[in-house]
Amino acid sequence: EDQVTQSPEALRLQEGESSSLNCSYTVSGLRGLFWYRQDPGKGPEFLFTLYSAGEEKEKERLKATLTKKESFLHITAPKPEDSATYLCAVRASNYQLIWGAGTKLIIKP
Amino acid sequence: ETGVTQTPRHLVMGMTNKKSLKCEQHLGHNAMYWYKQSAKKPLELMFVYSLEERVENNSVPSRFSPECPNSSHLFLHLHTLQPEDSALYLCASTKSGTGDSPLHFGNGTRLTVT
Repeated sequence: EDQVTQSPEALRLQEGESSSLNCSYTVSGLRGLFWYRQDPGKGPEFLFTLYSAGEEKEKERLKATLTKKESFLHITAPKPEDSATYLCAVRASNYQLIWGAGTKLIIKP
Repeated sequence: ETGVTQTPRHLVMGMTNKKSLKCEQHLGHNAMYWYKQSAKKPLELMFVYSLEERVENNSVPSRFSPECPNSSHLFLHLHTLQPEDSALYLCASTKSGTGDSPLHFGNGTRLTVT
């Protein structure tokens, strides 16, 4: 069964404390892995798409990486404005999009 | 106005009411989606309209009824809802046919069923 699991469910960090969020997946025929950011009271906002193992993408303090089984979202020296829920989704070979439940990230000043 | 716009932002309705959610996209996309978001759960796909063809999740109750009059507008008609239908309802759009185009979301309608 196709599945996406995100961990941890919640993560509290001090400002400047780097860490990583995990997105593990089992899917038949990966056609893309997507990362989104969701702020309270808003819809998800697209961050990255990764297509193949070994691929990396960066945006400001965020770097997303991909292996055959999981993706990591690395956050370097985070700031309070990075606080949000981060969602991962995987597109399978049948084009179905499978979502994880998200990781709520809280950055304390 | 650009992007994906949803109205209303908040809705409180009784179980016997009938209401509609509206979504409009200004991105030139040709596929539109309704998702349900409940706390600590993955996004649940309800309906997809792609090139005016409708695809639905068979587990969605018939008290939810979608309508897509054109590629820019999407509605979700609600009637005789249950308290467990309280959630954030998100509309999204994308360019269909590419398979890897990301979804663009509106800010959702927060629905409370009393």
